Amino acid sequence: QVQLQESGPGLVKPSQTLSLTCTVSGGSISTGSHYWSWIRQPAGKGLEWIGRIYNSGSTDYNASLKSRVTISVDMSRNQFSLRLSSVTAADTAVYYCAREYPGYDFLTGYYFYIDVWGRGTTVTVSS
Amino acid sequence: QAVLTQPASLSASPGASARLTCTLRSDINVGTYRIFWYQQKPGSPPQYLLRYKSDSDNQRGSGVPSRFSGSKDASANAAILLIYGVQSGDEADYYCVIWHNSAYVFGSGTKVTVL
Repeated sequence: QVQLQESGPGLVKPSQTLSLTCTVSGGSISTGSHYWSWIRQPAGKGLEWIGRIYNSGSTDYNASLKSRVTISVDMSRNQFSLRLSSVTAADTAVYYCAREYPGYDFLTGYYFYIDVWGRGTTVTVSS
Repeated sequence: QAVLTQPASLSASPGASARLTCTLRSDINVGTYRIFWYQQKPGSPPQYLLRYKSDSDNQRGSGVPSRFSGSKDASANAAILLIYGVQSGDEADYYCVIWHNSAYVFGSGTKVTVL
């Protein structure tokens, strides 16, 4: 049973870079056909997808955050990471890492869906 | 206009059925999308419930009761999450999600209250 655990600073100053790591246990990032995603949720609000990475290093990002986001993978440590630059108070949220599982549609090919989530970590942007 | 629109709240009595809607923006045809549904209880991460594209292409997540099912209303350009026999443990926020323009798009969520 794969499990994910987010870690990183809970407090980041405005204009600085938010850095989080997701450690995967019970499975290997380097094997299998999975994407690994980051999602966030401001307190009392809805969910926002940030981006994802495949074990090949291929990434997709939310267009609204793309200029500030970098997602990377460290297969030797079975981790993937999020960096969000130039943060403001609007970036204060619970940040989740998640696994995407593949499905197959014989008409359109492979698709993915988020099936396992980490517990989340709260990041506050404040001076 | 938001890509996915969900009513903010819905109330249901124990044992009744609850019908949650997720309306797609008018320029996006619900028929071509696979809809994913998630349940989120306070203080917990979302949990995957099910995916629905058609009556022949849909699946509940592991351990998800058959009381939860998906459908579509093509005339309303909407995806539907049906909860049969609502229980107090179903009180939660429910989110619909699609993969659109190379990104996941989440609906704003519906808070289900069991009265």
